[in-house]
Amino acid sequence: DMKVTQMPRYLIKRMGENVLLECGQDMSHETMYWYRQDPGLGLQLIYISYDVDSNSEGDIPKGYRVSRKKREHFSLILDSAKTNQTSVYFCASSPGLGGAETLYFGSGTRLTVL
Amino acid sequence: GDQVEQSPSALSLHEGTDSALRCNFTTTMRSVQWFRQNSRGSLISLFYLASGTKENGRLKSAFDSKERRYSTLHIRDAQLEDSGTYFCAAEGGSNAKLTFGKGTKLSVKS
Repeated sequence: DMKVTQMPRYLIKRMGENVLLECGQDMSHETMYWYRQDPGLGLQLIYISYDVDSNSEGDIPKGYRVSRKKREHFSLILDSAKTNQTSVYFCASSPGLGGAETLYFGSGTRLTVL
Repeated sequence: GDQVEQSPSALSLHEGTDSALRCNFTTTMRSVQWFRQNSRGSLISLFYLASGTKENGRLKSAFDSKERRYSTLHIRDAQLEDSGTYFCAAEGGSNAKLTFGKGTKLSVKS
């Protein structure tokens, strides 16, 4: 079953705490993404990963970093979370092959930073 | 300005009617994808197009193959389950980075 799995689904943190969002896919896709979605803004690309240890900034990388040590896992890390990082975070994967192919999305993580 | 502009931002349809959503790009795009987000927040891929048209049931999408600066999503015989927010996303180069539009919120009523 082709799947992108995100953990956790809901998370509440205090300002200044570290946050780790995890994403896994079972399709051996090369390319993985982290987006955030805010009301009225659609989805904004935070980071893209083309393969293990091959990561590239998206449109809004500030305040975030990523880690991809295995092809099937892609983590988003917030060091010292801020209240404006409250959002819904989506992970996605695609076969890659030199460009974006069909994206498969996870169910999202709703992060609240108090 | 935004690279990907969707219209309309919201749309209300009666069951059985047809409609079209549009996505305009401020620059030439390599490919376009359409997604539907349901009330639970799940994003489902509807179409991926590098050119031409694709059809799946009551949905049909087209990507302008000449100037590559717009795409449309046609909904035929709208049903209640078509309700949701529709997003288009386009890739400008070959770096796999997709830019999303702000979405069209579709409500289908009986």
